Amino acid sequence: DIQMTQSPSSLSASVGDRVTITCRASQDITNYAAWYQQRAGRVPKLLIYAASTLQTGVPSRFSGSGSGTDFTLTISSLQPEDVATYYCQKYNSAPLTFGGGTKVEIK
Amino acid sequence: EVQLLESGGGLVQPGGSLRLSCAASGFTFSDYAMSWVRQAPGKGLEWVSAISGSGGGTYYADSVKGRFTISRENSKNTLYLQMNSLTAEDTAVYYCAKVGSSWYTDCFDPWGQGTLVTVSS
Repeated sequence: DIQMTQSPSSLSASVGDRVTITCRASQDITNYAAWYQQRAGRVPKLLIYAASTLQTGVPSRFSGSGSGTDFTLTISSLQPEDVATYYCQKYNSAPLTFGGGTKVEIK
Repeated sequence: EVQLLESGGGLVQPGGSLRLSCAASGFTFSDYAMSWVRQAPGKGLEWVSAISGSGGGTYYADSVKGRFTISRENSKNTLYLQMNSLTAEDTAVYYCAKVGSSWYTDCFDPWGQGTLVTVSS
């Protein structure tokens, strides 16, 4: 099975900072990658699909890139409401594995 | 507006069974695959199972294969997860999610509010 390895597992940054989270697939998944945001006590929310397509309604400070095995979620200017755990996911074939998550906090 | 409402969670003894339901509204249910995802307390997301829009294709994580059965009743706009031989490791919040197409190979949006399953004696 293809594994999804996210890094870092946690990070602390200041408001306005650029934040980058990476996800590595153990095999080529072309662009079948998504990113989700889960705020504390809330339901996961889709941010990015097809590796780089922003879901409707998601702020433009979020962006995704990558293909093949390496994927990146970038927050261009971190805001207080971005405090959350972020997960990548592969969806090219079963199992539809999630990464381990990256917890983002404000410094 | 798409709405997904899970039900059926609760406390069950090890070795027991439970059936979860997810009532869907706001979209043509049969046009979309559906999935179950779980989250153990304080842990990350774990994909559990998916089913195609017609119900003809079903897929499972290795951790639940042979114990859980996903199904759907398109006439009732309802998704199910039959869980048998439950262990403490199955304790989690279970979310249903709408898949982006009729086949299961797509992302999940939106997600339901989740239902808590606790396996304990």
